[in-house]
Amino acid sequence: AQSVTQLGSHVSVSEGALVLLRCNYSSSVPPYLFWYVQYPNQGLQLLLKYTTGATLVKGINGFEAEFKKSETSFHLTKPSAHMSDAAEYFCAVSVSNTGNQFYFGTGTSLTVIP
Amino acid sequence: DAGVIQSPRHEVTEMGQEVTLRCKPISGHNSLFWYRQTMMRGLELLIYFNNNVPIDDSGMPEDRFSAKMPNASFSTLKIQPSEPRDSAVYFCASSFQYEQYFGPGTRLTVT
Repeated sequence: AQSVTQLGSHVSVSEGALVLLRCNYSSSVPPYLFWYVQYPNQGLQLLLKYTTGATLVKGINGFEAEFKKSETSFHLTKPSAHMSDAAEYFCAVSVSNTGNQFYFGTGTSLTVIP
Repeated sequence: DAGVIQSPRHEVTEMGQEVTLRCKPISGHNSLFWYRQTMMRGLELLIYFNNNVPIDDSGMPEDRFSAKMPNASFSTLKIQPSEPRDSAVYFCASSFQYEQYFGPGTRLTVT
């Protein structure tokens, strides 16, 4: 069975500080991994994805994530938080290359403190 | 590409009324998903279609909910009769490979 755990439903960081949002997954087969961002009153937008190849993936708005198979993790990071990063972030895992069988985490709300 | 299109963006209706939400997936995508998002339950998958065929509707809460996909470019989610507890944001998403692309959502309020 597949599942996603996001540690910390709420994370606060100061503007300019490191952003670290944690995601651990369980999967019986090699997973495809995703981070989505949801701004207030908007839909989910793909930030970045890991399918195959390089385990460090870069996404939009300066975010990146590293797939660590041994730790079953896919943590999201950004070196310096910006006020505009305040949003809800969702980690997701898929075991299908057709976008089916998608499993979302419960989300982490990021607050950026001026 | 215009992305996934959903209509209406906002819907306010009275309890007992029928509500129909509409979705146009991205052209060329062969899978379509309906989700519901609430503060209490988070993001829930209601149903998904592959090549216009419903594959998994185990997330549909009850018989009041129904979904159709008559062709590759259109899907509907219907609630009849609607109840206040159906108030939520309903998202449609489509995919071809790997990732899902979400629409802007329909905010449904049932009074």
